[in-house]
Amino acid sequence: KQEVTQIPAALSVPEGENLVLNCSFTDSAIYNLQWFRQDPGKGLTSLLLIQSSQREQTSGRLNASLDKSSGRSTLYIAASQPGDSATYLCAVDTGGGNKLTFGTGTQLKVEL
Amino acid sequence: GAVVSQHPSRVICKSGTSVKIECRSLDFQATTMFWYRQFPKQSLMLMATSNEGSKATYEQGVEKDKFLINHASLTLSTLTVTSAHPEDSSFYICSAWTPGTAVNTEAFFGQGTRLTVV
Repeated sequence: KQEVTQIPAALSVPEGENLVLNCSFTDSAIYNLQWFRQDPGKGLTSLLLIQSSQREQTSGRLNASLDKSSGRSTLYIAASQPGDSATYLCAVDTGGGNKLTFGTGTQLKVEL
Repeated sequence: GAVVSQHPSRVICKSGTSVKIECRSLDFQATTMFWYRQFPKQSLMLMATSNEGSKATYEQGVEKDKFLINHASLTLSTLTVTSAHPEDSSFYICSAWTPGTAVNTEAFFGQGTRLTVV
């Protein structure tokens, strides 16, 4: 059974700092990995999708890497801003049909 | 990206009543929709997979008679929480998917529904 873990569970940083969020998964046979953002009481916003054959994806200040063999992904956020404050979730698709197993989430707070 | 609309966003109901939540794909046809549940300070857990025109597939531990799922069209799936109890209070969220190319496997989620059973 796939298990996804995210470290740290919570993170508080000053504005402008670069930061790294970690995601690990137990079953490396994945089709893709996706990073989401969730604001309090809201739905999910897709940030980045990495196919199993890819090593990284970039979008603006966000960069996500994938090391499938070791079961790890990182989300790098450059020059963090207060508006980045949210919970970040990683999720893996193990079956190929978009059925996702979610991580435990990292709650990020970027302070002025 | 594709748009998935979920309604209602919040609902409060009395214990013992039933609540229906709708999930619509607005600009694409979704052959499959997924229903997730999220308890406070926990991650999302898959409840069931809904395929258009066929019975839903439920995850282990999810009562199919309590959480009725209907996927009657390619743009609409509904989740009905029957005889709701306070322990059913949670955040319910759907995602919609359609087979595509290898790069078109992004999951699109609705806005979620906060259910409170009193």
